[in-house]
Amino acid sequence: DQQVKQNSPSLSVQEGRISILNCDYTNSMFDYFLWYKKYPAEGPTFLISISSIKDKNEDGRFTVFLNKSAKHLSLHIVPSQPGDSAVYFCAARFGNQFYFGTGTSLTVIP
Amino acid sequence: DTAVSQTPKYLVTQMGNDKSIKCEQNLGHDTMYWYKQDSKKFLKIMFSYNNKELIINETVPNRFSPKSPDKAHLNLHINSLELGDSAVYFCASSPRRGSYGYTFGSGTRLTVV
Repeated sequence: DQQVKQNSPSLSVQEGRISILNCDYTNSMFDYFLWYKKYPAEGPTFLISISSIKDKNEDGRFTVFLNKSAKHLSLHIVPSQPGDSAVYFCAARFGNQFYFGTGTSLTVIP
Repeated sequence: DTAVSQTPKYLVTQMGNDKSIKCEQNLGHDTMYWYKQDSKKFLKIMFSYNNKELIINETVPNRFSPKSPDKAHLNLHINSLELGDSAVYFCASSPRRGSYGYTFGSGTRLTVV
């Protein structure tokens, strides 16, 4: 069963605009959420995280929002840059284990 | 100097063969993992070791056997390879179990023909 879902496999955005990547989860016991970024032929790299006790965390151009009642997580990138083109995975932690979504491929068009 | 390195990067082999994928981390992390990314892009944990001790063993066939000779290494041996084993396998490490500071290797693309 897939406890973390990213329903949009791909997203295209113009450079300078906002990119919004979404993630839904089913387990209300998840206590930590993360976003990873993956370039082709590389492993995922950690991007930003948020604790379940918060609803927003910002780091430069990246902001993660958490809506616990909706069991929804989103990553906002603004302004989007061509170098942001990658696959983005959301992940959620329960106990010692992380559960990953299937990824959303973001293309930022110059 | 790669933090988490796994070899080989690509592996093409015939059904029925036995193969190993090696993973080493030089970060001093206590915990290492093997993840499988299948054709649906689903990244799913297979095993986790903490200081050479197996702590997570998800439902994977017995043909998959992890080996951790020390906390810097976690190798994955696969016996009697099947077509369905074709996937990208990622090794990762974190400072301690449950820590979110995962560092992933670049992946091993296994193709079974």
